[in-house]
Amino acid sequence: DQQVKQNSPSLSVQEGRISILNCDYTNSMFDYFLWYKKYPAEGPTFLISISSIKDKNEDGRFTVFLNKSAKHLSLHIVPSQPGDSAVYFCAAGSQGNLIFGKGTKLSVKP
Amino acid sequence: DADVTQTPRNRITKTGKRIMLECSQTKGHDRMYWYRQDPGLGLRLIYYSFDVKDINKGEISDGYSVSRQAQAKFSLSLESAIPNQTALYFCATSDIIGLAGYNEQFFGPGTRLTVL
Repeated sequence: DQQVKQNSPSLSVQEGRISILNCDYTNSMFDYFLWYKKYPAEGPTFLISISSIKDKNEDGRFTVFLNKSAKHLSLHIVPSQPGDSAVYFCAAGSQGNLIFGKGTKLSVKP
Repeated sequence: DADVTQTPRNRITKTGKRIMLECSQTKGHDRMYWYRQDPGLGLRLIYYSFDVKDINKGEISDGYSVSRQAQAKFSLSLESAIPNQTALYFCATSDIIGLAGYNEQFFGPGTRLTVL
């Protein structure tokens, strides 16, 4: 059974608007969460993270929100840019290993 | 120069052949990982190693083996390749868990493997 779920395989957003990517998890033992971004023909690159003791972490245009009671996190990108078009993976971790979601393909249209 | 390199970048092989994928890193990290990515399935962990003498199976280790030749090198082998092992393979490294409480993993560029 999937421990980390990204239920939207794809998302299309207009340039300048907000992109919201969602992720749900089932294991309450996860103590940190990360978002990775992946362009075609490249490996995933780290984008932003959040510890389970926080509910928000912000880095420039990127903000991650964590709702522990709902076991849900989201990545907000404001404003969205065409260069943000990529596959975004949510990952959850505890004691060293990461469990990845299936990814959401974000397309930002000019 | 890239911190995590993988060779080859692309490989086509036939069913039953033995194949080795190699990963090298210059980040000085102790921990190394092998993942495979399939369309619609995200990244799944095959094997991981927390140091040279420590090798552990991941979620989908059947049909694979690994060798940690040195801190900087971690190889993945398919002893007898089969078509459903056609996938993108990624190597990753990480440091031990730091003060932030998590360990970010750094990925290589991937190897696209096709088994005919």
